[in-house]
Amino acid sequence: GAGVSQSPRYKVAKRGQDVALRCDPISGHVSLFWYQQALGQGPEFLTYFQNEAQLDKSGLPSDRFFAERPEGSVSTLKIQRTQQEDSAVYLCASSFLGLAALTDTQYFGPGTRLTVL
Amino acid sequence: SQQGEEDPQALSIQEGENATMNCSYKTSINNLQWYRQNSGRGLVHLILIRSNEREKHSGRLRVTLDTSKKSSSLLITASRAADTASYFCATDGRGAGSYQLTFGKGTKLSVIP
Repeated sequence: GAGVSQSPRYKVAKRGQDVALRCDPISGHVSLFWYQQALGQGPEFLTYFQNEAQLDKSGLPSDRFFAERPEGSVSTLKIQRTQQEDSAVYLCASSFLGLAALTDTQYFGPGTRLTVL
Repeated sequence: SQQGEEDPQALSIQEGENATMNCSYKTSINNLQWYRQNSGRGLVHLILIRSNEREKHSGRLRVTLDTSKKSSSLLITASRAADTASYFCATDGRGAGSYQLTFGKGTKLSVIP
């Protein structure tokens, strides 16, 4: 079946612009995660959804970052008033099981590379 | 912040040789996972080893886990040019927030044909 897809694959924004990044998880997956990966670093956790509920947003770096998953499938990560330090690859991952399970394999999308000029 | 740390940061070997990458972490874990990332692509899950396991095999991959030393190693045998990628270990925490994966900075592996 289809894997996790993300769009756009590349986004260039001027500083101060708002951006919206989309994630389509694997169908039927309960959990959805967003990660931020800076150049030369490993991914860092941003936020977690179980179905439509955002259970953890402890990794969001500022209140300019907002994520939603209103119907428990597609998710959008929105960054308002982008800054140069927001430049990174934003990865989405999904897993079949929910919070009650111990760690389940997370399947990652290809990411969106955001460049803020 | 990064929990794990891979070693070496970069590794270059000839095709057919074995590649060994190490990962150290700081806190107690339920599981440790290894992922591969090709340039410009997402992460591909390779193998998961649970905290009560010491060794696990999958094809040409062998993973060991030593919870007393808080370290893991990934061995790729008979490497191929297609194995060229960055390799990351990822750990989860115990208890609340255990679903969060914490990644190291990765080892960049180059396999020369």
